[in-house]
Amino acid sequence: GIQVEQSPPDLILQEGANSTLRCNFSDSVNNLQWFHQNPWGQLINLFYIPSGTKQNGRLSATTVATERYSLLYISSSQTTDSGVYFCAVGPTGFQKLVFGTGTRLLVSP
Amino acid sequence: DGGITQSPKYLFRKEGQNVTLSCEQNLNHDAMYWYRQDPGQGLRLIYYSQIVNDFQKGDIAEGYSVSREKKESFPLTVTSAQKNPTAFYLCASTITLGQAQPQHFGDGTRLSIL
Repeated sequence: GIQVEQSPPDLILQEGANSTLRCNFSDSVNNLQWFHQNPWGQLINLFYIPSGTKQNGRLSATTVATERYSLLYISSSQTTDSGVYFCAVGPTGFQKLVFGTGTRLLVSP
Repeated sequence: DGGITQSPKYLFRKEGQNVTLSCEQNLNHDAMYWYRQDPGQGLRLIYYSQIVNDFQKGDIAEGYSVSREKKESFPLTVTSAQKNPTAFYLCASTITLGQAQPQHFGDGTRLSIL
């Protein structure tokens, strides 16, 4: 089946710093979503981005489907950005999502 | 407000007991999903359903069962055959089958063994 790799596995930032999270996947996809899981376990939809670039406030994402990767950018990080960021992909022809193992982000004041 | 409601938030199971986790959505979504998350891991698919009265096994279906009698509801039963049920369970739904659409998630149920 499709493999999803996220990097880095862990990231520690000072408040105000910028960061880039990466998601590589091993096969063609028709769905790609970025989620933020907060300390209470809630999965927050950040982006639905099977291709192209989107921005939402301090967050933006880019997916290059032909090269099988996606990037999530966090600018001017805040302590509330802490948590785990997951990339999940939907293999072409399937409705299900396959999740990466996540990037754990800690933003310190 | 439309959304996905999972209940209960916390559930404790005794050895040999079956327990059922509830998932209800009022988004008029066709497809619904159950995922399991172990500590420090990503989510893995247990079962999914694209239409009423039909469902398919995901990657880790052993020890679980589901039903889809109504479009709005997709309950998950963790049976006594599931030897390691302690995990965080998340339900999701998406608007239509046959096309790629974003999945939306409930807030989850934490299941523990007594």
